[in-house]
Amino acid sequence: DTEVTQTPKHLVMGMTNKKSLKCEQHMGHRAMYWYKQKAKKPPELMFVYSYEKLSINESVPSRFSPECPNSSLLNLHLHALQPEDSALYLCASSQPGQPLGYTFGSGTRLTVV
Amino acid sequence: GESVGLHLPTLSVQEGDNSIINCAYSNSASDYFIWYKQESGKGPQFIIDIRSNMDKRQGQRVTVLLNKTVKHLSLQIAATQPGDSAVYFCAETAGGSYIPTFGRGTSLIVHP
Repeated sequence: DTEVTQTPKHLVMGMTNKKSLKCEQHMGHRAMYWYKQKAKKPPELMFVYSYEKLSINESVPSRFSPECPNSSLLNLHLHALQPEDSALYLCASSQPGQPLGYTFGSGTRLTVV
Repeated sequence: GESVGLHLPTLSVQEGDNSIINCAYSNSASDYFIWYKQESGKGPQFIIDIRSNMDKRQGQRVTVLLNKTVKHLSLQIAATQPGDSAVYFCAETAGGSYIPTFGRGTSLIVHP
């Protein structure tokens, strides 16, 4: 299995809702990442987990809460989002310390209304 | 032709032509470079990479050139096909970091 699977593919949520994005990989990668991508822009790093521990938080607002329950799963919990948080949220994985083999999922298209 | 401005740079080519997508970087400590292809509705997909101790690397229909003197990277796609239409991002790592930093991106449109 050489894929990173993200669910759901599309999500519409209100500003008072709580929702979660899920990411799964079975490549044995021990580093997992969340990125945010706005239209016509490059992906922006949000969080990095290395060996299931949060190693990088790029000053992301607390309304985004990551969780890594095990080495194959990565969640992003969303609460009280703003319309400007609407974007494509990408998950990626790799081996820690190795940019080679960095694999992205297809993303979750999030719309906040 | 190529247009650069406030919008995503766009390169329009005819099917069968060769395409050249350019990328400038600013960090002289960058030591590893990657090209990604992102099709509509998908995540970035690895195309080819090159280390800073090389100046050229070839793959299937793609070639990456690195000019460290002027901090310039290019991706050449031979015999461009409609399936090559996508946004292409260059990315780099530096100083022991293994997390790529993405460049602005170029939209490639291939006309049949």
